[in-house]
Formats: sequence, C-alpha cells, structure tokens
Amino acid sequence: EDQVTQSPEALRLQEGESSSLNCSYTVSGLRGLFWYRQDPGKGPEFLFTLYSAGEEKEKERLKATLTKKESFLHITAPKPEDSATYLCAVPSLGKGAQKLVFGQGTRLTINP
Amino acid sequence: DVKVTQSSRYLVKRTGEKVFLECVQDMDHENMFWYRQDPGLGLRLIYFSYDVKMKEKGDIPEGYSVSREKKERFSLILESASTNQTSMYLCASRLRGRHTEAFFGQGTRLTVV
Repeated sequence: EDQVTQSPEALRLQEGESSSLNCSYTVSGLRGLFWYRQDPGKGPEFLFTLYSAGEEKEKERLKATLTKKESFLHITAPKPEDSATYLCAVPSLGKGAQKLVFGQGTRLTINP
Repeated sequence: DVKVTQSSRYLVKRTGEKVFLECVQDMDHENMFWYRQDPGLGLRLIYFSYDVKMKEKGDIPEGYSVSREKKERFSLILESASTNQTSMYLCASRLRGRHTEAFFGQGTRLTVV
C-alpha cells in the first residue's frame, strides 16, 4: 500500500531562518509528487508537481526537490506569511492512479 | 483557474439528521473526491468518483454515501449524522491522468451536536 510520511510534524523558525521539510514515500512506482500549502480553516492550495527524480521546482522562497525515495521543500529566508501547513501527496495505484494519498503535513510557524 | 466550490463553509446539524454536502467544479474534471480532515489524522479519503454515476469507496466510507448525477457535481451524504462525524470536509477534483494535481474547495466545517 502506498504511504507518505512527512517530517517534522511541526517546525518553528525565526524570520529569515532557512530550513527544509521532508516527505518520504513508499510507492510501487513513482507517478509524480505534489506539494500543497494549507492555511487554517481553508482548503489546500496547490504549489508544485514533481514528475521524476532529480527534478526541482521553485516559487518565491520555496524550492521543491525530488529523489527516488523522498522530496524536500526548502524554505529560504522565510517570512511570517509563509506560516501554514505544508502537505505532500502521491497518486495511488489502482483505478488508473486516480486518488491521491496525503502525508499528515508539517505545520510551519515563522516568528517575526 | 480551476474553481471548486463547496456549498457551505460552516454547518451545525443535530445527531440523527441527514446531511448533504455539495461540491461543484467548473473545469470538466473526470475525478472528484471527498476527504475529511481531523487534527493528528491528516486527510482521509471518504469516497471518490471517476465518472458520472461511478463511485469508489475510500479509506473511511462508513456512515457516508455519495451521488454524482452530473459531471460537475459531487455530493456527500451523511445518512444519520453522529458526533464523531464532526470534522472539516474537503472536496477536490482532478483531471484524469497520472501527473495531474488535485484542486480543493474551501472546506466545510461540520459540527454535529
């Protein structure tokens, strides 16, 4: 069964303090990996799709990378507005990989 | 931009009531999903649909049913609401294909009293 594990569960940083979030997965074959941002009380907002090992995507202070077993979301010089829960997900085998399996998320807090 | 709209942001219902949560997407996506999200448990899939009138059970279907009569609309039904169904409910849609992302609605916070 496909599984996604995120670490740490929660991370508190000072403004400007760079760090990385981890998403590890066990799937029978990589079919892409997705990162989302979720603000409290709202639905997840799509950030990135990574298709294959070695790929990188960037958006403002966020950079996502992918290896054969895990993905990292690097946050460079974060600001308080980057505070959110970050989720990763992979397509699951079965029914044409239609459904996504999510990790439990990393709750990121950036203190000013 | 893809838009997924859930009919209510907040709902309060009584135990035993039949509850309908509605979701509409405007991008002609084949796949639609209902998740619930609880602290410490993450997003758990209740049901999904890959075509009109087609549905598949997710990981936690007990106590729920769904309806997809039109491609753009996917409804979640709580047959007899219970307090353990108090949760945030999230609808999502996704184009068919391996590498396509899912788009989420704003969520419905359901409280059963």
